[in-house]
Amino acid sequence: DQQVKQNSPSLSVQEGRISILNCDYTNSMFDYFLWYKKYPAEGPTFLISISSIKDKNEDGRFTVFLNKSAKHLSLHIVPSQPGDSAVYFCAACSASKIIFGSGTRLSIRP
Amino acid sequence: DGGITQSPKYLFRKEGQNVTLSCEQNLNHDAMYWYRQDPGQGLRLIYYSQIVNDFQKGDIAEGYSVSREKKESFPLTVTSAQKNPTAFYLCASSIAAGSTDTQYFGPGTRLTVL
Repeated sequence: DQQVKQNSPSLSVQEGRISILNCDYTNSMFDYFLWYKKYPAEGPTFLISISSIKDKNEDGRFTVFLNKSAKHLSLHIVPSQPGDSAVYFCAACSASKIIFGSGTRLSIRP
Repeated sequence: DGGITQSPKYLFRKEGQNVTLSCEQNLNHDAMYWYRQDPGQGLRLIYYSQIVNDFQKGDIAEGYSVSREKKESFPLTVTSAQKNPTAFYLCASSIAAGSTDTQYFGPGTRLTVL
């Protein structure tokens, strides 16, 4: 039973447009959420996070939105750049446990 | 430079052999983690350690063993009991094991069992 789901395995977006990556979770006990970015053959790197007491967190081109009632979070990247092409994992945390989604491969096309 | 190192990047072993993957960090982090990544799946937690000489099983610990004799090092042994060991293994560390502590990942080791 997947507690954290990223239903889109891949996404293609034109350079300069907005990329929206989605993540759904089932456990209402999760109180902290993170997005990681991963390039091939490298470890994931932390991108942005949000606490369950907030509904939005912004850092430059990256914004994470949290909808607790829908148990849904999304990552917006605007404008999308070629270097954004990577796999993006969302993760949800409760106490000392962190659960990762299966990832979405984002491709930015010229 | 502070960071997490994993070696080697690629590792090949014959079926039935134990193999140990190295993970070293110089970030002075208390907590360390091992994950495996399989195609189409998220990162799954194998073992984690909140402090030296202590470690806990994660979601898929069967067939694996770890040790934490030093703060900087958290080696993972993939034993012959692990039924499907071929995977990409990622080590991570965080300041502590709290839910809001960002985990920093190493570059990973791709293990292929022939």
